[in-house]
Amino acid sequence: EPEVTQTPSHQVTQMGQEVILRCVPISNHLYFYWYRQILGQKVEFLVSFYNNEISEKSEIFDDQFSVERPDGSNFTLKIRSTKLEDSAMYFCASSRGPTGGTYGNQPQHFGDGTRLSIL
Amino acid sequence: DAKTTQPNSMESNEEEPVHLPCNHSTISGTDYIHWYRQLPSQGPEYVIHGLTSNVNNRMASLAIAEDRKSSTLILHRATLRDAAVYYCILREYNQGGKLIFGQGTELSVKP
Repeated sequence: EPEVTQTPSHQVTQMGQEVILRCVPISNHLYFYWYRQILGQKVEFLVSFYNNEISEKSEIFDDQFSVERPDGSNFTLKIRSTKLEDSAMYFCASSRGPTGGTYGNQPQHFGDGTRLSIL
Repeated sequence: DAKTTQPNSMESNEEEPVHLPCNHSTISGTDYIHWYRQLPSQGPEYVIHGLTSNVNNRMASLAIAEDRKSSTLILHRATLRDAAVYYCILREYNQGGKLIFGQGTELSVKP
């Protein structure tokens, strides 16, 4: 069964450094997402991406964050200048997108995440 | 955002059925009911979804109340591998693609 893959599984970075988290979504999916989960807290939406544009972003996704689909397979999340509070699990997800005019009928498929530790 | 209410935790014995409840009294007519689960140290995993009728797949069954204000995820024979946090999420018609996760129900399975 096709799956979403994320690399690296664990990233340790000094505060203030740039970090890029990588994801390979399922090949025939058109919608891509990033979520994060701070230890012991809820999974939080960061951003959705479709047709090479951001569709929606949360308040968390400020100017320090950016996303890109540099080729036909990868989807990346960049944090320009990391802060201690960016330490979290980051999950990538993908889906086929809406059918019949609604997102309701389409599941999202998640990767196993990248654990980002900021020192 | 439409809200769901789930118990914080539940316990089950291995090989017994598990019924995980979810209340969503403010659901609108176009909202789909989705269930995801998150095993320890893994990403969320899609389980099942439905709109009005009960649904079955290889992982679970979803029973939806006639008024759609509640639903129940049914695991027919719990295994140790089913120990996870289970999330009941409403996918709103005009919400866009994002999933809004609550705290979910932490299911523990005893051998």
